[in-house]
Amino acid sequence: KNQVEQSPQSLIILEGKNCTLQCNYTVSPFSNLRWYKQDTGRGPVSLTIMTFSENTKSNGRYTATLDADTKQSSLHITASQLSDSASYICVVSLMFSGGYNKLIFGAGTRLAVHP
Amino acid sequence: NAGVTQTPKFRVLKTGQSMTLLCAQDMNHEYMYWYRQDPGMGLRLIHYSVGEGTTAKGEVPDGYNVSRLKKQNFLLGLESAAPSQTSVYFCASSYSRGTLDEQYFGPGTRLTVT
Repeated sequence: KNQVEQSPQSLIILEGKNCTLQCNYTVSPFSNLRWYKQDTGRGPVSLTIMTFSENTKSNGRYTATLDADTKQSSLHITASQLSDSASYICVVSLMFSGGYNKLIFGAGTRLAVHP
Repeated sequence: NAGVTQTPKFRVLKTGQSMTLLCAQDMNHEYMYWYRQDPGMGLRLIHYSVGEGTTAKGEVPDGYNVSRLKKQNFLLGLESAAPSQTSVYFCASSYSRGTLDEQYFGPGTRLTVT
């Protein structure tokens, strides 16, 4: 069964600190892995997309890593800001899924950054 | 350029009532999707469309119908709402079915069925 598991479910950090969110997946056939940021009351917005040949990708203070062998990914946030408070969703795209690009979504990690 | 918009933002229905959620995109995308998001679960695909006049079932289609009469609009209908359909509904669109294509999401509709 295709699954994406994220940990922790929720996290509280102080402004300026770093944090790392984890994602494990059992999805086949794998095409790429994405991280989305979802602000409260808004739709998800893409942060990074990585194919199996990419180990790391950055978007400003966000750095995603991918280990295709162990089927794990992480999202590292550096020097957190209050605006980083959001849910972060790990999403895996399947290869050759038929009529559309099938995405498997994790349940998300809810991050709260406190002053 | 508004991207993907959804109406309404919030709605409360009684069991058995019907309603239609409207999604509109101004990016000339061929593909459009309806997802639902429930607490503790990832987004799940309800229905999708690969172009004007076409629709297809996703993972959780029961209790929903859709229509894509115009390329820019994708409607999601609930004919007889049930409490199990209480959820946040997201519409998304993409240019093609390419595996690296971005899906752009709307702001969501929060639906409560009592």
